[in-house]
Amino acid sequence: EPEVTQTPSHQVTQMGQEVILRCVPISNHLYFYWYRQILGQKVEFLVSFYNNEISEKSEIFDDQFSVERPDGSNFTLKIRSTKLEDSAMYFCASTRAEFTGELFFGEGSRLTVL
Amino acid sequence: KQEVTQIPAALSVPEGENLVLNCSFTDSAIYNLQWFRQDPGKGLTSLLLIQSSQREQTSGRLNASLDKSSGRSTLYIAASQPGDSATYLCAGKTGSARQLTFGSGTQLTVLP
Repeated sequence: EPEVTQTPSHQVTQMGQEVILRCVPISNHLYFYWYRQILGQKVEFLVSFYNNEISEKSEIFDDQFSVERPDGSNFTLKIRSTKLEDSAMYFCASTRAEFTGELFFGEGSRLTVL
Repeated sequence: KQEVTQIPAALSVPEGENLVLNCSFTDSAIYNLQWFRQDPGKGLTSLLLIQSSQREQTSGRLNASLDKSSGRSTLYIAASQPGDSATYLCAGKTGSARQLTFGSGTQLTVLP
C-alpha cells in the first residue's frame, strides 16, 4: 500500500542551526502539507503546497520556514535558524483532492532543539 | 475559525466492550471529517473519512457518523480489543481553509 515516507525519524540539533526535513508523498498525490505536534499538544497546520507554490500557510509558518519540491518525488521543510520552541514532531501529508480527499500522513520526524 | 473538541480526553474500558468517541466542531460549513489513530510517538493513521454529504462510514469494527447540523461526529468501536489502545483524533476540513483542524484526541485504553 502506498505510503508517505519521512526522513529523518529523529534529528537533534543546536539552537540556531538549519534543519531540513524530507518527505516523499504518495506518488499520484498533488497536494502536500506539513503539520507539527508539540509534545502533549494538538496537531497544528503549517503549510499547504500545490503546483510548486504555497497555497496556504499558518501564522506559525514565518520567515524561518520554507518548503520546496526539489524534484518529482521529494518535498522538504527547511527551518533556517532553529529555536527551542521548534522542538516538535513534524508530519508530512498528501492527498489527491484538496477539499474532499483523504489525507495520508507520514510517521513523522521528531526534531529536538537543544 | 474552526474549533474541534474531543470528549473524553481519556477512556479506559474492558476488552469486548462497545464504545463511542465524541468529536464536536464549531463551523458547520465542513467539507469532510477524518478520524485518525495515533500510537505513542508514531504518525497518524487514517481510519475513516466522511464527506459532508454522507451521514456515516464503516470500516470493519469502526463506524463513524457525521451530523453537520449539530456539529458532531462520533466514532463507534465495536467489540474493543487491547490492540485498539491508542489516541484517536478527529479533524475537520472547512470550505474556507485548505487545512485540517484537529481535536486534542481521546486516549483509549482497552484492558485485557
